[in-house]
Amino acid sequence: GAVVSQHPSRVICKSGTSVKIECRSLDFQATTMFWYRQFPKQSLMLMATSNEGSKATYEQGVEKDKFLINHASLTLSTLTVTSAHPEDSSFYICSARGPKGLNQPQHFGDGTRLSIL
Amino acid sequence: AQKVTQAQTEISVVEKEDVTLDCVYETRDTTYYLFWYKQPPSGELVFLIRRNSFDEQNEISGRYSWNFQKSTSSFNFTITASQVVDSAVYFCALRNTGGFKTIFGAGTRLFVKA
Repeated sequence: GAVVSQHPSRVICKSGTSVKIECRSLDFQATTMFWYRQFPKQSLMLMATSNEGSKATYEQGVEKDKFLINHASLTLSTLTVTSAHPEDSSFYICSARGPKGLNQPQHFGDGTRLSIL
Repeated sequence: AQKVTQAQTEISVVEKEDVTLDCVYETRDTTYYLFWYKQPPSGELVFLIRRNSFDEQNEISGRYSWNFQKSTSSFNFTITASQVVDSAVYFCALRNTGGFKTIFGAGTRLFVKA
């Protein structure tokens, strides 16, 4: 089945650093990728949607300059949390969908647990 | 304003029982999408279904079925003959087609006991 690899699975870093999370589709072309954030007590939020070669479309209330998303190829999207602070600590999840449009299922990565000290 | 309510915080059933997870939504939009996702204890999300607001047909996929009732703004999810592997948190979500906002419910944690 379709596999999405997300890396790293866990990262701990100091406040003020920037952190990059990678999301790769291993066996299919991901024309659309999604980035989610899961807060403590399980609440989920879609952060942005990106189509390969285009700028990401951010959800209302998500800071574009804070969460930089790049989808430069059909198999890779990256989320960079810039100048991370403790409140950015969260579980970040990527998802990818293939080229046949909205009826295609989404495939999820295993998530990245980000802890900012 | 958009809202998704999953009133059942936790449900516990015994294997082979049928269980229905409720999802009630609020939106002023006439076109929108509804979703269900599963998050097992391992943490990875699993996409289950996406439904367009124009398509009110119920859907069945194996032991899973979804009942979309526009009149009551509900999109309920039923698992027939539940299994231990169905134990997970299930999220319902709503996305309007006009703006850029997807709203998730708080999730329902399902425990299926052997």
